[in-house]
Amino acid sequence: KNQVEQSPQSLIILEGKNCTLQCNYTVSPFSNLRWYKQDTGRGPVSLTIMTFSENTKSNGRYTATLDADTKQSSLHITASQLSDSASYICVVSDRGSTLGRLYFGRGTQLTVWP
Amino acid sequence: EADIYQTPRYLVIGTGKKITLECSQTMGHDKMYWYQQDPGMELHLIHYSYGVNSTEKGDLSSESTVSRIRTEHFPLTLESARPSHTSQYLCASSEPGTSRGTDTQYFGPGTRLTVL
Repeated sequence: KNQVEQSPQSLIILEGKNCTLQCNYTVSPFSNLRWYKQDTGRGPVSLTIMTFSENTKSNGRYTATLDADTKQSSLHITASQLSDSASYICVVSDRGSTLGRLYFGRGTQLTVWP
Repeated sequence: EADIYQTPRYLVIGTGKKITLECSQTMGHDKMYWYQQDPGMELHLIHYSYGVNSTEKGDLSSESTVSRIRTEHFPLTLESARPSHTSQYLCASSEPGTSRGTDTQYFGPGTRLTVL
């Protein structure tokens, strides 16, 4: 069964600290992996996308890594800000269908305290 | 920020009412989607469309229906709302990627539906 598992479920850090969020998946055949940021009461916004051949991608203070062999990804946030408080969702796409089916994780709820 | 809009943002209604959740995008995207999301849970695809007059059911069984008469408009209708329909409904549209499965989906802000 294709699945996406994220850890931790929730995380609290102090402003200015770094953190790393984890994503493990079993989706096959793999097409790409995205990290989305979802603010409370809003729709998700794409942060990064990585295909099979990419193992790292940065977007400002966000750096995503991908190990396609172990089917693991991480999202590292540097020098956290209060505005980073949100749910971070790992989304994996397969290439076995025309639609490019998306498999969503449940997200990691990050809270940044001042 | 993506040009995709949903109305209403919040809706509280009584059981048995008919409701329509509106979704519009101004990006000219052919593909559009409806997701259902409960707190702390993953998004579930309930409907999608490849273009005008094309609609398909998603993975999660839903009593809702959709229509796609215009490219920019993808409304979702519940004929008779029940408390089990209480959830957040997210609309999305996507632009083609460079290869299969690499479409980027842009999400609207969502509609928080509460059925009493």
